[in-house]
Amino acid sequence: DGGITQSPKYLFRKEGQNVTLSCEQNLNHDAMYWYRQDPGQGLRLIYYSQIVNDFQKGDIAEGYSVSREKKESFPLTVTSAQKNPTAFYLCASSRLDRGSNQPQHFGDGTRLSIL
Amino acid sequence: KNEVEQSPQNLTAQEGEFITINCSYSVGISALHWLQQHPGGGIVSLFMLSSGKKKHGRLIATINIQEKHSSLHITASHPRDSAVYICAVRRNTGNQFYFGTGTSLTVIP
Repeated sequence: DGGITQSPKYLFRKEGQNVTLSCEQNLNHDAMYWYRQDPGQGLRLIYYSQIVNDFQKGDIAEGYSVSREKKESFPLTVTSAQKNPTAFYLCASSRLDRGSNQPQHFGDGTRLSIL
Repeated sequence: KNEVEQSPQNLTAQEGEFITINCSYSVGISALHWLQQHPGGGIVSLFMLSSGKKKHGRLIATINIQEKHSSLHITASHPRDSAVYICAVRRNTGNQFYFGTGTSLTVIP
């Protein structure tokens, strides 16, 4: 079955530590996205990528970094510069066919907490 | 102000009731997406629509582009429908989605 796999499901970070969240898709989608979800707020876009080796900042990119070396993979690093990293992180992907609206497909998320 | 507003924020219904969740948006859009998020956190796509109405099983989604409003209806609700329902819009410029804060639905047996 095609889908999006996020790992780990739960992650704990110590102060001053960088952590990397994994996102892999086998849907052959061009676009991939990282969102952050906090209680009482809608999903907010951190970074997105429409093609390998290219990505754009979303609304809340500060303290995060990404890479897109392969079409299937879009890892997110939460750096020590992100002062409030505790949240639920969701990865999504979609096709980019021009002239049609393609839905986003989501992974099951990673819950990050501070130790 | 959020570009996407949902109502109600919380909804409790008896099994079998007809349920309506509303979504209003303030920007020009190319499409609107209804999503379902279960307690574990994973999100499932329900509908993507840009006009008219779509139906899948007991779920119906409608959109009125002129009024900038969409509704999600659930007929004959069941406890397994309990989840958070999220409305998202894709603006007609760019490829980003903007999300509402969600409607938490609980269906009581």
